[in-house]
Amino acid sequence: DAGVTQSPTHLIKTRGQQVTLRCSPKSGHDTVSWYQQALGQGPQFIFQYYEEEERQRGNFPDRFSGHQFPNYSSELNVNALLLGDSALYLCASSSLSGGGETQYFGPGTRLLVL
Amino acid sequence: RKEVEQDPGPFNVPEGATVAFNCTYSNSASQSFFWYRQDCRKEPKLLMSVYSSGNEDGRFTAQLNRASQYISLLIRDSKLSDSATYLCVAGGGSNYQLIWGAGTKLIIKP
Repeated sequence: DAGVTQSPTHLIKTRGQQVTLRCSPKSGHDTVSWYQQALGQGPQFIFQYYEEEERQRGNFPDRFSGHQFPNYSSELNVNALLLGDSALYLCASSSLSGGGETQYFGPGTRLLVL
Repeated sequence: RKEVEQDPGPFNVPEGATVAFNCTYSNSASQSFFWYRQDCRKEPKLLMSVYSSGNEDGRFTAQLNRASQYISLLIRDSKLSDSATYLCVAGGGSNYQLIWGAGTKLIIKP
């Protein structure tokens, strides 16, 4: 049973560029949440997708957008990258239809913006 | 005030000792509580859910105090492998969003 997978594992971009991160949820899960974790901080909620729609959104600007596909996988897009966007981006999956709030994380994508 | 607050530590504890962390949350409507552990440069992994009646899993015990709005984690007979950052999470309520603390760093010394 595959767990949550994310790609790529590491990424280096320059300011102003755009990036797309990908996530495949755990088998049987239908909900994907994205988090940004800066060094020494807890994960900060970006948004959550369920049934291909953004269900909840945290306090992040519109430069952060996402998508969920019919197979429940998800993408996080960040436009006009800033130095402050450098962080570990975590994807977590859960089963909303199964009534579960417990989230299981992928290994993350480490983004460095130069 | 942060929505979920934890003492950042680090807690330096000798192997075999008992250590306890507390975490306070501000949203009284929170319904779900969890402890996760995160190793350096790794993703958070679920340690245990926290139920109203408390929850015990081996050397780990979690408690919820709704009146004072805090949850606790107790680790008995600590092992070197328990060294990690422990993240407290509160969620549910009206928006189903999980709110994360910044974590408490634990270092177990031989």
